[in-house]
Formats: sequence, structure tokens, C-alpha cells
Amino acid sequence: GEDVEQSLFLSVREGDSSVINCTYTDSSSTYLYWYKQEPGAGLQLLTYIFSNMDMKQDQRLTVLLNKKDKHLSLRIADTQTGDSAIYFCADPSYNTDKLIFGTGTRLQVFP
Amino acid sequence: NAGVTQTPKFQVLKTGQSMTLQCAQDMNHNSMYWYRQDPGMGLRLIYYSASEGTTDKGEVPNGYNVSRLNKREFSLRLESAAPSQTSVYFCAEGENEKLFFGSGTQLSVL
Repeated sequence: GEDVEQSLFLSVREGDSSVINCTYTDSSSTYLYWYKQEPGAGLQLLTYIFSNMDMKQDQRLTVLLNKKDKHLSLRIADTQTGDSAIYFCADPSYNTDKLIFGTGTRLQVFP
Repeated sequence: NAGVTQTPKFQVLKTGQSMTLQCAQDMNHNSMYWYRQDPGMGLRLIYYSASEGTTDKGEVPNGYNVSRLNKREFSLRLESAAPSQTSVYFCAEGENEKLFFGSGTQLSVL
């Protein structure tokens, strides 16, 4: 079945770049998504990339997509303490309107 | 999380008790979802509803029932709660795979 995998934790110093990685199995998706969950809250859509793109940049966020390796990454430049959250990669399930979420990567930013 | 309202925010149940989690959306989308979130396991889909009057099982439906009362409301029922159902539950709605989530219900089953 479809699977989305992420590492569980990432710790970075404030001002450094963060890179959160994701691998997925279903390569038929039109879009791939990144969601952010702040403490005590639900998930919010952070950004997404069209599957025929290699890269998408949105202010401090850069999404890279390697379709051959089925690898998606989210880079956060100049990471701030407010970026501390859990980040979820999501891949639409084949031929349905369901999203398959990864386990989430908890990003901790320290001063 | 504007647009998706979940109640209650917290609940403690004894094993065997029943309860219903309520969810309502005001964004007029067709699809609604119930997920549970457990440490190290991410979000797992319990049930979803592609439109009013239809419901389908997700990844972990056992022990749950759902009801899509109308386009706005999608409820999740635990008929006989078990400790394994201790979790944080999220309702979501959306279209074209872009989901909007409620703020969650933290449920403990003792």
C-alpha cells in the first residue's frame, strides 16, 4: 500500500537552515503537500508542489521534489523559534480524495 | 483553524462508555474526514465522507462509527470505548486535497 516516511526529530539552531525530508511510494499524485502543526493545534497547509516541478520557493520555504527517487524535502531558511512545530508530508492516495500523511517531523529550534 | 469546529476539546471516558465527537464546517466543501494522531504514528484516517449521505472506511475504522448528518456536520461515535482509543482526534474538511483541520479533541480512555 501507499506509504509516506519521515524522520521523527530535527533540532537546529536559530538562524540556521532546516531541511525536513520525506519519501513516498505513490508516484501518480498531481500535488504533494507539506502541513505544519503548532503545539495544541490542528494541521495547517504550509505549501505544496505540482508534480511536474522540481522546486518551488515561497519566501523562506523551498520545496524540492525528486520524482525519480520519490523524495520530497522542505527547506526553511533562517529558522526562527516560531518555526518549532511538527511538519507533515502528505501524498494523495491513488485514485481517491484521501491524503496519506507521514509520521511527522518534530522541528525544535534552540537559541 | 477557522471554518472547522470540533467539540469537545477534552474528554475522559471509562472503558465501555460511549460518546460522540462532533464536527461542523462552514466552508461548504463536500469532503470531510476523521483522523487520529498518536505519537510516532502520524495521522491515520478513521473514516471519511466524500459527500453528504456517503461514508467510507479509512485505515483504522474498527471501534468507530460515523454519520454525515448533512453537508456541514460529520460526527464520530465510539460505542464502547477502549484504552487503545486514547488519542487526539482531528476532523478535517476540504477539496482538491487541500484540507482544513479542526483544533482537535484529546480523548483519554481509562
